[in-house]
Amino acid sequence: QQQVKQSPQSLIVQKGGISIINCAYENTAFDYFPWYQQFPGKGPALLIAIRPDVSEKKEGRFTISFNKSAKQFSLHIMDSQPGDSATYFCAASRAGAQKLVFGQGTRLTINP
Amino acid sequence: ETGVTQSPTHLIKTRGQQVTLRCSSQSGHNTVSWYQQALGQGPQFIFQYYREEENGRGNFPPRFSGLQFPNYSSELNVNALELDDSALYLCASSPRTSGPPQETQYFGPGTRLLVL
Repeated sequence: QQQVKQSPQSLIVQKGGISIINCAYENTAFDYFPWYQQFPGKGPALLIAIRPDVSEKKEGRFTISFNKSAKQFSLHIMDSQPGDSATYFCAASRAGAQKLVFGQGTRLTINP
Repeated sequence: ETGVTQSPTHLIKTRGQQVTLRCSSQSGHNTVSWYQQALGQGPQFIFQYYREEENGRGNFPPRFSGLQFPNYSSELNVNALELDDSALYLCASSPRTSGPPQETQYFGPGTRLLVL
């Protein structure tokens, strides 16, 4: 059962543009939602994370928007740069559980 | 501060063999989780170790087993390797807390296993 659905599978954005990646979850017990960035041949690196008590969290050019009623959250990358080209994964977990449940990933390409 | 390290970086095995992968957790971290990432997919949770005991397991058969040592490093063992076990195996560690393991997980670079 796919508990976290991520879209799109791939995304091409021009340099300086806004990249938007969306995730939807099913389990209302989830209460921790991180985003990871993964470059080829590397492990996922934690970018930013949010909990359901806030609707938005911003760290530098990265912003998470969270809609609890719709069970959706998204990553916005402002002023996208070629160095942002990577695969991005959303994930979710619930208090007391041990595992992160990951989305399928989005391959982001930023054209110069 | 040293991050999560894993060894070896790459490994080639044949079907039916056994493999051991190793992970050293980040300094100040006491919980280790293992994930399998097939090509083009998101990581899938295998199990977690906390205080040297298994603390949760995903949908993986018993031939996937692990250990955690007093220094919080960990091993993943896979017996009777199958072709579908070919994947990137990721280790993640979580910071030490006074209570249950924290959800925040920091990943190592992974071990790429190829089963022929």
